[in-house]
Amino acid sequence: AQRVTQPEKLLSVFKGAPVELKCNYSYSGSPELFWYVQYSRQRLQLLLRHISRESIKGFTADLNKGETSFHLKKPFAQEEDSAMYYCALRWGGATNKLIFGTGTLLAVQP
Amino acid sequence: EAQVTQNPRYLITVTGKKLTVTCSQNMNHEYMSWYRQDPGLGLRQIYYSMNVEVTDKGDVPEGYKVSRKEKRNFPLILESPSPNQTSLYFCASSSSSTGAYNEQFFGPGTRLTVL
Repeated sequence: AQRVTQPEKLLSVFKGAPVELKCNYSYSGSPELFWYVQYSRQRLQLLLRHISRESIKGFTADLNKGETSFHLKKPFAQEEDSAMYYCALRWGGATNKLIFGTGTLLAVQP
Repeated sequence: EAQVTQNPRYLITVTGKKLTVTCSQNMNHEYMSWYRQDPGLGLRQIYYSMNVEVTDKGDVPEGYKVSRKEKRNFPLILESPSPNQTSLYFCASSSSSTGAYNEQFFGPGTRLTVL
């Protein structure tokens, strides 16, 4: 069955420290993965897609098919990065269904 | 401005009193979806719609109904709300183009409390 696992409910780091938000997936097909972010009192929004291999706001994520992981990384955390982060897997076929992980709250301390 | 809107943003109601949460998008998207967000459970899909008059169940459809009579609107209906439907609800839309470049756009959320 398709599943996305984010093992950490809360990740607390100090400003300037490296950040890694973990995401593991279970999917039999070719995975399409995303990271969505929800800042306080704002709507959920796309942060990045694995296919784009992009860096957004200093964040990157590499798809590792061998480890079935898609961890989100940033070398130096900023206070404005504090938010809820969701890893999502697009379930294949004609639908655009997203399967979300349970989310990780990132708290960046000054 | 391209966006997804939801109304109401906050609603407190009582068990059994029918309610509707509206969702509208102005991006001419074919695909629309409803999610509920609960602590420790993340976002779970309730219903989705691939296009007008085409709807299907998501992972947690019990107690909910939807309709898609127009492309821009996708209301969520709770015929007889119960306390376990107290949650934060999000509507989302995207174009019909599938694939890894697709992005879903989310509404601001509706916080529902059922007493």
